Amino acid sequence: EVQVLESGGDLVQPGGSLRLSCVASGLNFAGYAMTWVRQAPGKGLEWVSFIRGDGVNTYYAHSVRGRFTISRDNSRNTMYLQMNSLRAEDTAIYYCAKDPFYGLEAFDVWGPGTKVTVSS
Amino acid sequence: DIEMTQFPSSVSASVGDKVTITCRASLGIGTDLVWYQKKPGKAPKLLIYAASNLQSGVPLRFSGSGSGTDFTLTISSLQPEDFATYFCQQANSFPLTFGPGTTVDI
Repeated sequence: EVQVLESGGDLVQPGGSLRLSCVASGLNFAGYAMTWVRQAPGKGLEWVSFIRGDGVNTYYAHSVRGRFTISRDNSRNTMYLQMNSLRAEDTAIYYCAKDPFYGLEAFDVWGPGTKVTVSS
Repeated sequence: DIEMTQFPSSVSASVGDKVTITCRASLGIGTDLVWYQKKPGKAPKLLIYAASNLQSGVPLRFSGSGSGTDFTLTISSLQPEDFATYFCQQANSFPLTFGPGTTVDI
């Protein structure tokens, strides 16, 4: 069974940094693109970032570009999201998800999420 | 960026009802449209991809249609476990964007 599990969420002060991790199991990790999606309290889903299987191509939402960096270590079956210069509006549940390679960016396996709170 | 809108924003329905949710893209996206179900405290669940393809394991009462800018998600006979929020997502170009969601409640 394919599973992904996020970790690293925490309470952090505005301007601070945090690194989220997403560990995948049950799949050839390097063969799949991955993504981060977040949901702020009471809000809808917001796509954050995306990385191809080889880690070469990465994409970001405008709201996080220049502050967040997505990466992956295929030897550890792990994807990361380095979040710098955090703002109150980054407060959200962060989900990682796998792209099943249907020929378009859809996401079929999701983790339970990790909570990030940015507050002083 | 491609903006996604959904309507209605919420719908009240009963078990057994047919429910239709509409999603509109600000630009034509072909069939690069995905639907998810989201329940509070749970991860999103992929329902439909490429506008009309049912994800494995998703009940047949769910169906999707549309192309270009206008898409629909239909639940043919609402079941108790279907009360949730439904989001569309365009997969045509980065940045990927979600619709604001449609909540289906009693």
